[in-house]
Amino acid sequence: SAVISQKPSRDICQRGTSLTIQCQVDSQVTMMFWYRQQPGQSLTLIATANQGSEATYESGFVIDKFPISRPNLTFSTLTVSNMSPEDSSIYLCTVGSKETQYFGPGTRLLVL
Amino acid sequence: GESVGLHLPTLSVQEGDNSIINCAYSNSASDYFIWYKQESGKGPQFIIDIRSNMDKRQGQRVTVLLNKTVKHLSLQIAATQPGDSAVYFCAEIVKDFGNEKLTFGTGTRLTIIP
Repeated sequence: SAVISQKPSRDICQRGTSLTIQCQVDSQVTMMFWYRQQPGQSLTLIATANQGSEATYESGFVIDKFPISRPNLTFSTLTVSNMSPEDSSIYLCTVGSKETQYFGPGTRLLVL
Repeated sequence: GESVGLHLPTLSVQEGDNSIINCAYSNSASDYFIWYKQESGKGPQFIIDIRSNMDKRQGQRVTVLLNKTVKHLSLQIAATQPGDSAVYFCAEIVKDFGNEKLTFGTGTRLTIIP
């Protein structure tokens, strides 16, 4: 399995600001995904980060709010833009196939 | 839309006893199911999976049962230990307009009582 690290591990941000979360994998992977886990809730897929092309967003998530970069096969970023308290969540990067996904430790975001 | 859900949000079990976590799904076309374990402060960790052409699969101390007739999935943990305390999610591969994606249920918090 791949080893995934995320930065920052946690942050407290003011509303209206933006935060970029980094995901680094220790090996080249084809598929990377970003999930959101709101407090006490399950995981919801935000988008699939595609290397060399625009990310594929799920219903309810848009590029202006959650821009994603995937410059190579080991790295991706997710930006949470113009944050509001409703964006307080854990954001998780995963890699692998659609069937077998390995999760990073997540970034815990609190928006005040 | 179709979704994966759980019967109980919390479950407490005496250490050493067996536990059963249940999950109902509604997408009859789903052909692959996974159980994840999420400990406090960590990302979900793969436990065990099962394909729709099976009704039972066993791992180390864990067994997953699939009942396609009633669209029910369960995770059995034998001889529970304190380290089994976590939130458990079932997930399925959902085909959505030709796209496949992993869809998670709401989670059950399992607490092992020493």
